[in-house]
Amino acid sequence: KQEVTQIPAALSVPEGENLVLNCSFTDSAIYNLQWFRQDPGKGLTSLLLIQSSQREQTSGRLNASLDKSSGRSTLYIAASQPGDSATYLCAVIEGTYKYIFGTGTRLKVLA
Amino acid sequence: GAGVSQSPSNKVTEKGKDVELRCDPISGHTALYWYRQSLGQGLEFLIYFQGNSAPDKSGLPSDRFSAERTGGSVSTLTIQRTQQEDSAVYLCASSLGGSGEKLFFGSGTQLSVL
Repeated sequence: KQEVTQIPAALSVPEGENLVLNCSFTDSAIYNLQWFRQDPGKGLTSLLLIQSSQREQTSGRLNASLDKSSGRSTLYIAASQPGDSATYLCAVIEGTYKYIFGTGTRLKVLA
Repeated sequence: GAGVSQSPSNKVTEKGKDVELRCDPISGHTALYWYRQSLGQGLEFLIYFQGNSAPDKSGLPSDRFSAERTGGSVSTLTIQRTQQEDSAVYLCASSLGGSGEKLFFGSGTQLSVL
């Protein structure tokens, strides 16, 4: 059974710092991997989708990498801002439609 | 529509009552998902629709839970005889074809069972 773990569970950093969020999964036979952010009381917003044949995706200050063989993905946030404060979740996609979510990393960027 | 729409945004009910939660996916999205998020917990998969069919309903926690989708669009999640442990945020999501594309979420329905 696929298990998705995110470490750390919570992170607090000063504004401007570069940071890395980690996502690990136990079964490397995944279809794709997606990173989301969730603001309090809101649904999830898709950030980046990495297809299994890709190694990374970039959008603005965000860069996500995928290493299937080691069962790991990282989300790199450059020059963090208070507006980046949210919970970040990764989800591995199995069999094209089954999204299995990690429990998230709660990020706080201090002004 | 412009995004995934869920209603109501909040629902307070008494134990034993039935509730209906509605999801209106992005126009043209054939895949629709229901998830449940309990306080401090991860997202729990409930059911997946492709068009009007539900090829995977393995996450429905009990036979008190049911869902349907009509016209390949709007979906309704029904919880009968609600229990306090049903209290959670119910999230709906849609994607274009159900082939590992980006998933788009609604804002959720916060269900509180007293």
